[in-house]
Amino acid sequence: AQSVTQPDIHITVSEGASLELRCNYSYGATPYLFWYVQSPGQGLQLLLKYFSGDTLVQGIKGFEAEFKRSQSSFNLRKPSVHWSDAAEYFCVLRSGGYNKLIFGAGTRLAVHP
Amino acid sequence: SAVISQKPSRDICQRGTSLTIQCQVDSQVTMMFWYRQQPGQSLTLIATANQGSEATYESGFVIDKFPISRPNLTFSTLTVSNMSPEDSSIYLCSVESRGSDEQYFGPGTRLTVT
Repeated sequence: AQSVTQPDIHITVSEGASLELRCNYSYGATPYLFWYVQSPGQGLQLLLKYFSGDTLVQGIKGFEAEFKRSQSSFNLRKPSVHWSDAAEYFCVLRSGGYNKLIFGAGTRLAVHP
Repeated sequence: SAVISQKPSRDICQRGTSLTIQCQVDSQVTMMFWYRQQPGQSLTLIATANQGSEATYESGFVIDKFPISRPNLTFSTLTVSNMSPEDSSIYLCSVESRGSDEQYFGPGTRLTVT
């Protein structure tokens, strides 16, 4: 079965600290993976995507993610968090050729000053 | 990326009534989708809106409850019928263009059913 697991429901970090949000997926073939961010009043925004090739992908707002096939993981990282990064982050799996997106449960990030 | 608008942005409705949500895109897109986000939860795909034909519904969603129209390549509507408090959610449309492999989301419609 195709699924996405985000083990951490809430994460709190201090401003300026590094961040890693975990994501594990279950999929029978090479997955298409995304990270979206949902901020109050701003809707869902695509941060980055992985389809194939280089396993370290760069996104907007200084985010990056690393695809590890052996661990079925696609963790999101940022070296230095800003207060404006406080939001809900979703790891998303695209179901093959069907355009269907399967969302993880989300991780809510809080940033302390 | 496409610019997507939804109307209304929010509404409070009485149980037993219906609400139609509109999704408008500023360019022609291949695919349009409708998602539901229940309070404190993640997004779940309701259906794919097909232009000129019936929508394709996901398991657990039926046309009688969530009728969908897509008369052209830039517009779609989702109706939430015979509403109950359990239908209180954010409803979002998304779009994808051919060859893009990326979906972009509208701002959402926050529905409260009393």
